[in-house]
Amino acid sequence: EILLTQSPGTLSLSPGERATLSCRASQIFSSSYLAWYQQKPGQAPRLLTYAASSRATGIPDRFSGSGSGTDFTLTISRLEPEDFAVYYCQQYGSSSYTFGQGTKLEIK
Amino acid sequence: QVQLQESGPGLVKPSQTLSLTCTVSGGSISSGRYYWIWIRQPAGKGLEWIGRIYTSGSTNYNPSLKSRVTISMDTSKTQFSLRLSSVTAADTAVYYCARGNSDYNYAMDVWGQGTTVTVSS
Repeated sequence: EILLTQSPGTLSLSPGERATLSCRASQIFSSSYLAWYQQKPGQAPRLLTYAASSRATGIPDRFSGSGSGTDFTLTISRLEPEDFAVYYCQQYGSSSYTFGQGTKLEIK
Repeated sequence: QVQLQESGPGLVKPSQTLSLTCTVSGGSISSGRYYWIWIRQPAGKGLEWIGRIYTSGSTNYNPSLKSRVTISMDTSKTQFSLRLSSVTAADTAVYYCARGNSDYNYAMDVWGQGTTVTVSS
C-alpha cells in the first residue's frame, strides 16, 4: 500500500500570498494517478487537480500541481479568502487508493 | 448534471451491519467511463477510501476493511450500495459516495453531500 505524507500539517498565510503544499509518497508511482482535493467545513471534497498537474474543469489557474516519483506539490499562487480550507492529496493508481492526512490552510 | 445522494440509517448498533445507498441522478451508472466509490471521514479527521465498483461489477476494497465490506450496484435503479458488517464505534463517520471519472484518470469529480452514521447502542 502506498502511504502519502502531507506537509506541513497547518499552513498560516495571508490573502495574496503564495501557498506551497507538499505530498510525499512511500514509494514511486505514476504521476498520472495523483490528485489534489479541497475541502471546506461541512462540505464534500472538491477535485482540484489530477494526473499531478492537470486542473479539473472550472478550477482557477492560481491552483497548480506538479511533481513526479514520490514528491508532489500543490501551489496556490495568490491566496483568495475562499482558498482557506483543508487540502488532501490522493493516489488512485493502484487497486487500493490512499489519501494523505491533509494540510489545513488557515488565515494568518 | 450528475448528482449523487447518499441515504440510509443515521444510527447503527454495534456489531450490526451498516447499509447505505447512493442514488445517481442526471447520468448513467452503466457507463464504462466511471468507477463508483465510497469514502468516509470521522469527525475532525481525514478521508479514508472504502472501496469502488466498476460497471462490470468488479470491486476493490481498502485492505483494512476488506473482510467487512461489500459494494454492489443496481443499474436499473441507478444506485450503488455499501454494506459494512460488524460495526464498532470506530466506524462512526460521514460517509460519502463519489464518481471516479476516466476523463480525470479516475480521480473523483462528483461527490455526494455525505451522510453521518453513528454507531452506538
